[in-house]
Amino acid sequence: GQQLNQSPQSMFIQEGEDVSMNCTSSSIFNTWLWYKQDPGEGPVLLIALYKAGELTSNGRLTAQFGITRKDSFLNISASIPSDVGIYFCAGRHGGTSYGKLTFGQGTILTVHP
Amino acid sequence: DSGVTQTPKHLITATGQRVTLRCSPRSGDLSVYWYQQSLDQGLQFLIQYYNGEERAKGNILERFSAQQFPDLHSELNLSSLELGDSALYFCASSVASQGSEQYFGPGTRLTVT
Repeated sequence: GQQLNQSPQSMFIQEGEDVSMNCTSSSIFNTWLWYKQDPGEGPVLLIALYKAGELTSNGRLTAQFGITRKDSFLNISASIPSDVGIYFCAGRHGGTSYGKLTFGQGTILTVHP
Repeated sequence: DSGVTQTPKHLITATGQRVTLRCSPRSGDLSVYWYQQSLDQGLQFLIQYYNGEERAKGNILERFSAQQFPDLHSELNLSSLELGDSALYFCASSVASQGSEQYFGPGTRLTVT
């Protein structure tokens, strides 16, 4: 099935460093979402974006809805060990697709203390 | 805790068998979604129900079916199971049929032997 192109696939960083990841799509989305998944758990919603150009923060996390509506970015500042996990972007077309989410392949984040 | 519950947590069964996965949405949510997560395909949307009616369908196999009951809980039925059906199955719920955020349950890990 269709998936978003999410990069990088994995990141190994030192505690305190900033992190950036992004997602691109060949089609336009009405909504972009960022989730985090810990091992053995379900994805947890971090940030939701609804308008092209929108920039939204949630603590140390900041995400942007690309102006072309075909991409989104997530930044994590001053990383800490509990940031470890898999980060997924997800897009929603809306309309006749209703609530269907299309997910990226995920970015595996490892933070070294 | 997202408020979405799924049972069972783990399920081990043999090829050719049939299983039923159960999901209870968050209080007040009318939409239920099912997703499959596997190593090779990532997170894939299967199907969405809203207030008992099917709303959107993704890459759901004909051997799979789902329904949402009057009390809004949902069941995903998987039949004639194959080895390749081994995966994590997540349920998510949201308030509306589109435009509202999805909150994921802890998942059911299905192993087909």
